[in-house]
Amino acid sequence: QKEVEQNSGPLSVPEGAIASLNCTYSDRGSQSFFWYRQYSGKSPELIMFIYSNGDKEDGRFTAQLNKASQYVSLLIRDSQPSDSATYLCAVNDNRLAFGKGNQVVVIP
Amino acid sequence: DAGVIQSPRHEVTEMGQEVTLRCKPISGHNSLFWYRQTMMRGLELLIYFNNNVPIDDSGMPEDRFSAKMPNASFSTLKIQPSEPRDSAVYFCASSSLGSGANVLTFGAGSRLTVL
Repeated sequence: QKEVEQNSGPLSVPEGAIASLNCTYSDRGSQSFFWYRQYSGKSPELIMFIYSNGDKEDGRFTAQLNKASQYVSLLIRDSQPSDSATYLCAVNDNRLAFGKGNQVVVIP
Repeated sequence: DAGVIQSPRHEVTEMGQEVTLRCKPISGHNSLFWYRQTMMRGLELLIYFNNNVPIDDSGMPEDRFSAKMPNASFSTLKIQPSEPRDSAVYFCASSSLGSGANVLTFGAGSRLTVL
């Protein structure tokens, strides 16, 4: 099983709606979890990270972590066209392992 | 700060040629990572260094790949000989150990095309 999995296909959401992205990981010992955003042709940039079970909010973004079920999710509220990008989930076990990403398209 | 600096930004070469990619991490960062990104495999960690010492090179595809970090401000990734399947975007990233989150800052990437 791949370390970090993001299985959903491209996600299209209307402007102003909530985009929801999910990620599962295989290593129960993982301690920290990250969401990166990557615009086409650009490098990944950090959106937020989370350590503890529960929710962490930063502006329009909320990360949710459930260690028992080994998943982490990202919610984007009030989606904007500028949120159109690929979102990469990453898990840190001394080496940062990335999922393949989910493309989000926000339709004006 | 200028961020993580990579060169060249684009490289087109022929199969069998040697390719050298270069990276200057953010000053003060003591961890450096090399990743490769393709559509098929996503972002794969090739190797990472802590305090200039290679820690995990299990992601290096084969002996054709080698990486060095002679000092805290410079690293190279070399492919010799190159093959068409090496075509990808290679990212260098750095972070500061002890930050707790191991947050990576990525360079702009080097897009390699091997013909």
